[in-house]
Order: sequence, then C-alpha cells, then structure tokens
Amino acid sequence: GESVGLHLPTLSVQEGDNSIINCAYSNSASDYFIWYKQESGKGPQFIIDIRSNMDKRQGQRVTVLLNKTVKHLSLQIAATQPGDSAVYFCAERRINAGNMLTFGGGTRLMVKP
Amino acid sequence: NAGVTQTPKFQVLKTGQSMTLQCAQDMNHNSMYWYRQDPGMGLRLIYYSASEGTTDKGEVPNGYNVSRLNKREFSLRLESAAPSQTSVYFCASGSPGYEAFFGQGTRLTVV
Repeated sequence: GESVGLHLPTLSVQEGDNSIINCAYSNSASDYFIWYKQESGKGPQFIIDIRSNMDKRQGQRVTVLLNKTVKHLSLQIAATQPGDSAVYFCAERRINAGNMLTFGGGTRLMVKP
Repeated sequence: NAGVTQTPKFQVLKTGQSMTLQCAQDMNHNSMYWYRQDPGMGLRLIYYSASEGTTDKGEVPNGYNVSRLNKREFSLRLESAAPSQTSVYFCASGSPGYEAFFGQGTRLTVV
C-alpha cells in the first residue's frame, strides 16, 4: 500500500560528524515533504520542508534532498551535536487526499560525545 | 501565541469509559489533525479536518470520532475506551502547502 518509510531505525554518529537520515515514499502524487524532530516526551518539531518541484533545500546545518525518480528523501545534518539526538520523522502530504499528512516510522539519531 | 494546546496532558481510563480530548489552535490554520503514537513507533493519522466543517478518516479511525467545533477547535472522542487505545495522542494544525504544528500530546492509559 501507499506508505512513507525509513531505511534505518537507529543511527549512531560521533559528535562533529555529518548525519544522513533516509526516507522512502511510494506515492508519486505527493507534493510536499517535511522533516520533523521529536525529543523525548515532546511533540514533533518542524525542521525543514521541500516541495516536489525542488530537489534540494538547505537550512541552518540541515539539507533535504528529494529524488523523485526513486521516490527517496534524505535529511543531512552537518556537524552533528549532542542536541541533535532525537527521533526524526519524514512526512508526506498528498494533493489528492485533502491535505492529509502521513508520517514514516522514524529514525532514532544518537550522537556520541 | 500559544500555538496548539491539548487538554488534558495525562489521563487514565477504565475499559469502556468514554472521554473527549480537546485541541485548540490560535494560528488561524484551516487544517487540523489527530495522531496517535505508540511506544517506539511513528505517528499514525486518526482523523483530519481539511477545513472548518469537514472531517475525514485517516489511517486508523476505528474506535474514534471527531468534531471540528469551529476553526480553532478539533476534538477527539473515544466512546468506549479499550486497552489497545493506550497511546500518546497528538493534535496538529497547519495550512495547505506548509508544515503542521503539533501540540505537546496527551498521554492516555486504558486499564
């Protein structure tokens, strides 16, 4: 069925290294993608988004890449810090589903000092 | 601005009891959402409301009902709670083509 999923459930990186979190989606009609960060006991917080007419977008220390050919989304975090430790979710919005927003299963990022 | 406010923050119910989770947003967003998150899992969409006056089922609507009371408020009702509904419930709001903002969650335990 249609889904947004993630390749790796847990990612462990050394402080200062770059992190890459991946996400696969299956609905070619999706037009908008969002990355969220969720810290323990809190609601998801917006990190960065990208629309389907783009293939790359950069923020502060974060970059999102979208490959529509293979339906793949990635989040790159530069110079990963201990405060980046959290669960990261990608979300997908579908233009043919009344603005419905669905989430993938999440990747836990652990930053080692 | 308070953003998205959910009440209550914690709740314990007995099997078969009913309750309503409240959600209000002050960002003038058209769309509102209810999700559940089970331990170690992602967020699954229960119901959403694309605009005031409309509601639609999400991925896991069984056992729930919703009401879009006005543009600000979107409530989630459990008519007869079951242990399988033990979860953390998140409300969110957003505008089409933009990110959704989340509340801090309601932790519900059904015993």
